[in-house]
Parts: sequence; C-alpha cells; structure tokens
Amino acid sequence: NAGVTQTPKFRILKIGQSMTLQCTQDMNHNYMYWYRQDPGMGLKLIYYSVGAGITDKGEVPNGYNVSRSTTEDFPLRLELAAPSQTSVYFCASSRTSGSIDEQFFGPGTRLTVL
Amino acid sequence: GQQLNQSPQSMFIQEGEDVSMNCTSSSIFNTWLWYKQDPGEGPVLLIALYKAGELTSNGRLTAQFGITRKDSFLNISASIPSDVGIYFCAGHRTGGGNKLTFGTGTQLKVEL
Repeated sequence: NAGVTQTPKFRILKIGQSMTLQCTQDMNHNYMYWYRQDPGMGLKLIYYSVGAGITDKGEVPNGYNVSRSTTEDFPLRLELAAPSQTSVYFCASSRTSGSIDEQFFGPGTRLTVL
Repeated sequence: GQQLNQSPQSMFIQEGEDVSMNCTSSSIFNTWLWYKQDPGEGPVLLIALYKAGELTSNGRLTAQFGITRKDSFLNISASIPSDVGIYFCAGHRTGGGNKLTFGTGTQLKVEL
C-alpha cells in the first residue's frame, strides 16, 4: 500500500511553460485535494474532488486546472507558469463518510518558476 | 481566505524540555486537528479533537480543543530529537465538506 504518491519530486519551469503534477492514491479514497505551501505559511487549498468526474475550486484556484477521470488519479495542470506559482505542492486524499476524516498527504512536489 | 494563527512561529528547545504551542481563529471550528511535517515530507495527522473542551493524548503529545471553539493547544512532553519538524493546526467546520483550514505552522528545533 503506497498511499499517496506524487511525481515529479522537483521541477524547474520557465515563465509561460506548462506542466502537469501527477497524484495517485491506492486507498480507494473518494476525496482528493491539491494544496500549495509557501514559505512560512500553512497549506492553501487549490482544488478538491469528492469523486471521479467531480471537482471544485478551493481557496486559490487561479492559474491551475484539475481533472478526475478515475478514483485513483487527480492531476494538477499549470498552463502558463508564473513566478508566483513557485511553491511546494501537496496532494492529499481522504475516505470521508460525511464526517471529518483524516487526510493523507503525498511527499510533495517542489516547483520553481524562473 | 482565512488562515489560523499559530504561535510561536518557531522555537528552539533543549532535549527533554516540554513544548507548548497554540492555534487561534477569529471564527468557530467544529473539529481541530494537529499535523506534523517532517523535512521534505507531507504532513501526518497527530491528534484529532471533536468536542469543545476535549483533551486528547497520543503518547507524549496532548492536545486540547478550546472552550470557545476558536482555539486549540498542543503540548509535547520530554522532547526528543525526532520531534523536530513543523507542527500545523487545522480546523474544520460542519457542512464544509472535508475541507480544512490550516494554520501558519510552528517550527520546532531540538538541541541535543
């Protein structure tokens, strides 16, 4: 049971480039989330999904897109990278059955936009 | 968007000392959670609190859900080197799906 896996671990992008951050979970969790973590700050929710085919915006969705075609995968897409998107990105998943449920986090992707 | 305020922002303590940190909010939460993040890793859940006034322990860790529901506290007793990391509080409101609001973090460094 690998839990939540993220690829790549590190990436450097030039301004205007695009990329997809991959996230996969093998726990059959319904809920998945993308967060960004800036230095000295907590995690801010970018997008989340309550199940395959359903996604919704979080607190800071601008500049990002997501899709959820399967229960396992929840990729995050950056279309036109900007320096403000330099951050550490965490994917998480949870089972949830209506009450608060533990979120399990991946190891993160450290992205630098130059 | 709201973020929860944690204090202290960082602390540098001697091995064996007890540690206290807190998390405050301007609004009420129904559930409080405490996560720890090791360097280069994602956060891992330490303790969850579900009722105002609740006091819950997990080994050397004890956390409390404030009576006003606007704050929470985490204590670590007899700190050891592996306690190093960043501690985050997170709050959840009923009806908010499973979305969490995270605190700004308290970085703990332990001196041998």
